[in-house]
Amino acid sequence: QVQLVQSGAEVKKPGASVQLSCKASGYSFSDFHIHWVRQAPGQRLEWMGMINARFGDSTYSQKFQDRVTMTTDTSTNTVYMELSNLRSEDTAVYYCARFRIVTGGRFFDYWGQGTLVPVSS
Amino acid sequence: DIQMTQSPSSLSASVGDRVTITCRASQYISTYLNWYQEKPGTAPRVLIYAASTLQSGVPSRFSGSGSGTDFTLTISSLQREDFATYYCQQSYSPPYSFGQGTKLEI
Repeated sequence: QVQLVQSGAEVKKPGASVQLSCKASGYSFSDFHIHWVRQAPGQRLEWMGMINARFGDSTYSQKFQDRVTMTTDTSTNTVYMELSNLRSEDTAVYYCARFRIVTGGRFFDYWGQGTLVPVSS
Repeated sequence: DIQMTQSPSSLSASVGDRVTITCRASQYISTYLNWYQEKPGTAPRVLIYAASTLQSGVPSRFSGSGSGTDFTLTISSLQREDFATYYCQQSYSPPYSFGQGTKLEI
């Protein structure tokens, strides 16, 4: 069955960087894009960006453009997301999600379990 | 960027009620509109994609409609397990923005 398993919670200080991983299994890894979505406490879901798992090309939200890097490792079926220069507002649960494209639609059909990243001095 | 606005932000209802949530996009998105259900401590789950297509395994009491800028999610007869937060999302163009959520409470 399709699974996306994310790395564990990380506590970070302001100014630090965090790298999260998302390991895929149960499907052909290279055939789907992986997106990252975050949710700060009490806030709406927020799209951060996406990566082509096969070729590694990525598209980022302008909000995170200068601080986020997404990479892919096809040998381990793992996608990574690094967010730098963390601030308290980055405290959130971070999700990876598989992007499915069908005729007339595009949506996230499988999600990781989420990774909590508290940012505090 | 496309802004998504849901209404209401919260809703109180009872088991067996029919409930409708609306979502409006700030610009045309055709039918690239998805609905997700989120429960505390768990990842969102897709219910409806392409505005009106029911995802496999989702109960038929959930339905979606709309196109262009205005969309609705309807739950025909609320069950206890439906009390959750619902989000709409546009997948017309990045950034793939979400609505602010509708919390459905007993």
